[in-house]
Amino acid sequence: QVQLVQSGAEVKKPGASVKVSCKASGYTFTSYYMHWVRQAPGQGLEWMGIINPSGGSTSYAQKFQGRVTMTRDTSTSTVYMELSSLRSEDTAVYYCARGYFDLWGRGTLVTVSS
Amino acid sequence: DIQMTQSPSSLSASVGDRVTITCRASQGIRNDLGWYQQKPGKAPKRLIYAASSLQSGVPSRFSGSGSGTEFTLTISSLQPEDFATYYCLQHNSYPWVFGQGTKVEIK
Repeated sequence: QVQLVQSGAEVKKPGASVKVSCKASGYTFTSYYMHWVRQAPGQGLEWMGIINPSGGSTSYAQKFQGRVTMTRDTSTSTVYMELSSLRSEDTAVYYCARGYFDLWGRGTLVTVSS
Repeated sequence: DIQMTQSPSSLSASVGDRVTITCRASQGIRNDLGWYQQKPGKAPKRLIYAASSLQSGVPSRFSGSGSGTEFTLTISSLQPEDFATYYCLQHNSYPWVFGQGTKVEIK
């Protein structure tokens, strides 16, 4: 069926990097842009950026410029979000979402703690 | 960047009440707006797209209206399963921006 399956929870130390994956199935992977959104505990939704799975072009929120990299692998219909120089404030659930957010992954909890 | 101001931040209502949530954009965004419902521990779910189009499978008690800078989500008769947090999202220009959210609680 049509779904986005995200990788499992991660625990990282401050200063480290994390790479979260989102595997699409049930539709044509290259036909829909993919977004990453995060939600800190008890907080609202924050748009991080977007990737075009077809050509690989990206656009990132200014807040994450220089720390975030979004990539894709068309052979496995998977997009990736890597966030570097992690700090405690990056503790959050990270979601991938398709197109105009009609389809979401279940989220990946990233915990940053020493 | 476009700013989205969502109000109220929370509200208490009873089953059967009519509920209205508003999002205001800092500049015109045509009808490039969606509404999303999120329940605790779950991913958000799209309710409305293009400001006023009902997502397939979403009950007709949900409706959206507006264009330009003022948008409204209305729940005509609140049901027990509607207690959740609601967000608007503008997708007119990058960066896409969510409203701050409205938590709908039981009175």
